[in-house]
Amino acid sequence: AQKITQTQPGMFVQEKEAVTLDCTYDTSDPSYGLFWYKQPSSGEMIFLIYQGSYDQQNATEGRYSLNFQKARKSANLVISASQLGDSAMYFCAMRRNTDKLIFGTGTRLQVFP
Amino acid sequence: DAGITQSPRHKVTETGTPVTLRCHQTENHRYMYWYRQDPGHGLRLIHYSYGVKDTDKGEVSDGYSVSRSKTEDFLLTLESATSSQTSVYFCAISGTSGRDTQYFGPGTRLTVL
Repeated sequence: AQKITQTQPGMFVQEKEAVTLDCTYDTSDPSYGLFWYKQPSSGEMIFLIYQGSYDQQNATEGRYSLNFQKARKSANLVISASQLGDSAMYFCAMRRNTDKLIFGTGTRLQVFP
Repeated sequence: DAGITQSPRHKVTETGTPVTLRCHQTENHRYMYWYRQDPGHGLRLIHYSYGVKDTDKGEVSDGYSVSRSKTEDFLLTLESATSSQTSVYFCAISGTSGRDTQYFGPGTRLTVL
C-alpha cells in the first residue's frame, strides 16, 4: 500500500538552530515525487520543496533542504537557521506515478527564542 | 502565489442541507483537486478534475459530488451534509501535467451542526 509516515507529532527547536523533520514513504512505483508543505496557524498550505525519485541530488530551496535517502525510503526536511516564523505544521506528501498526492499526518514545529 | 480563491471561507450549516463550495483559479491550470483536512489524518483527496467535465474520485469521495463546467471553476457539493463532513476543505491546482506541484487555496472551514 502507498503510505506516508511522519512519526514526530511535535518538535521543538531553538531559534537559529537546524532541525530535521522525518518522513518515510512506501511505494513500489519507480517514479514518484516527494513534497513538503508548511501550514502556519493562519491555515494556508504553502509549498516548500520537491524531490523527484530520479533526481540525483538532494533538493534545496533557501533554508530548506530535503535529505533524500532512496534505499531507506526517507525524505526528511532539514530547516537550517530556524526562525520564529518557521513555527507551523509541516506535511510530507508523495505523488506516485499518477497525479494524486498522499499526505502524512504532519509534524508541529515550534521554534523558541 | 497561484491565483486560487475559495468561497465561502467559513460556513455553518445544519445536518441534511445541501452545501456547495466553490474553487476559482486564474492560472488556467488543467488539474484541480478537493481535499479535506481533519486532525490526525492530514489531507485526504475527495475528488479531482483533469479537465472540463472530466472528474474522478479520490479516497474519501462518499457523500460528495463535483462539477467542472469551465476551466477556472471546480465545485464541491455535499448533497445532504452530515456532522462527519465538518472539516476544513482545500482546493488545489496543478499545471499542464498532473505531476506538477500542487498549489493550494486558502481553505473553507465548514461546520455541520
